This record gives sequence, structure tokens and C-alpha cells, in this order.
Amino acid sequence: DQQVKQNSPSLSVQEGRISILNCDYTNSMFDYFLWYKKYPAEGPTFLISISSIKDKNEDGRFTVFLNKSAKHLSLHIVPSQPGDSAVYFCAVLSNFGNEKLTFGTGTRLTIIP
Amino acid sequence: DAGITQSPRYKITETGRQVTLMCHQTWSHSYMFWYRQDLGHGLRLIYYSAAADITDKGEVPDGYVVSRSKTENFPLTLESATRSQTSVYFCASSESEQGSPLHFGNGTRLTVT
Repeated sequence: DQQVKQNSPSLSVQEGRISILNCDYTNSMFDYFLWYKKYPAEGPTFLISISSIKDKNEDGRFTVFLNKSAKHLSLHIVPSQPGDSAVYFCAVLSNFGNEKLTFGTGTRLTIIP
Repeated sequence: DAGITQSPRYKITETGRQVTLMCHQTWSHSYMFWYRQDLGHGLRLIYYSAAADITDKGEVPDGYVVSRSKTENFPLTLESATRSQTSVYFCASSESEQGSPLHFGNGTRLTVT
């Protein structure tokens, strides 16, 4: 039973427009929510995170929104750039330590020039 | 250079063989992790270690063995490789503070024939 779901395996967005990636989770005990970005033949790299006490966190072009009542997490990228083309994984962390990080299945984002 | 390195990058082995994947980090991070990435499953935790000589099972530990005699090294051994273990393996490390992002290596692509 997947605790973290990314229901869109792929997404294509025009350069300059907003990219919105979504993630749903099942356990209200999750405490931290993170997004990782992965290029081919490389390991994932940390992008942005949010704790459960917040509902928004912004870092440059990247904003993460957390809706605890809906158990929904989203990542907004605006404006989208060709270098943003990658696979994005959301990950959730329970309040029991870093060993409990659980990843979603990923969404492949393609930015169309 | 500081970082986390995995070796080899690519490995082909036969069913039943023992194979060891190496992971080395230079940050002196307390936590180290092994994940496997498979299509449709995202990243799944195999084993993790909170410190030298402390290891514990993740979500998919069967068929794998780990050790951590030194803080900087965390090798993963497949005792008798099976075709279902064909995957891309990622090692990661993090600081002990909860919510600290994971830093991933570039992965080892393992094919079991």
C-alpha cells in the first residue's frame, strides 16, 4: 500500500509557464515533506522542503504548498525553464527520524522550449 | 573533493553470484542509506545506518546485507544475486537532524543475467 502517491507519471509544460507537480500522502503523522529532482544518470538532489507547521515555503522560482487536511503536497515552478526538465520525487518523513523517509514514484517533467 | 561516491557505476553479474556495491562519503554524516530505483516504484529503502556499527532494515531488505565498520563507508552486498535485483542502486547520507536532506551518490546500475 503506497503511502505516497504521485499520480501523474509525466507532465509537459511550455517554457515560461507554471509547472505544478502534485503528491498525495496517506498518513497524517508525516512531519516533513521534501521534493527531490533527478536528472538522468545522476542521483536525486534536494530541492525544497516544508514542515507540517507551515503551509507554504518559497525558494526562488520554487514554491511548495502543503494542504494537511487534504493530505496533499504540490510543487510550483514559475517560470519554467528548459533546465527544469527532470524527474521530480516527493518524499515524506515521519516524526520518528530520518530513516523513515518515503518517496513517491516520481513525475517526469518536460519543459517545451 | 567532498561528496558521496559510489562504485562501480555499472555492473553486470550472473544469477547466484555475490556482488558488493561500494559507497563512500566525506562529510562524516551520521546517517547512510541504500535505495533502489525501479520503474513504477520510485525509490525504496533497502537498509540504513544511523552510525558506525548500527544498521537496520528498510522496506525491501531481503537478499541484501550491509555493514558499517567506518562512518564513511557503507557497502551493500547481494549474497546471491537474482534477476529481480536488477535495478539502479543509490547510496545517500544525511546529518542526524530530523528533516536534514539526503545527499545522493550518482548510482550503480546493476544488471543480473
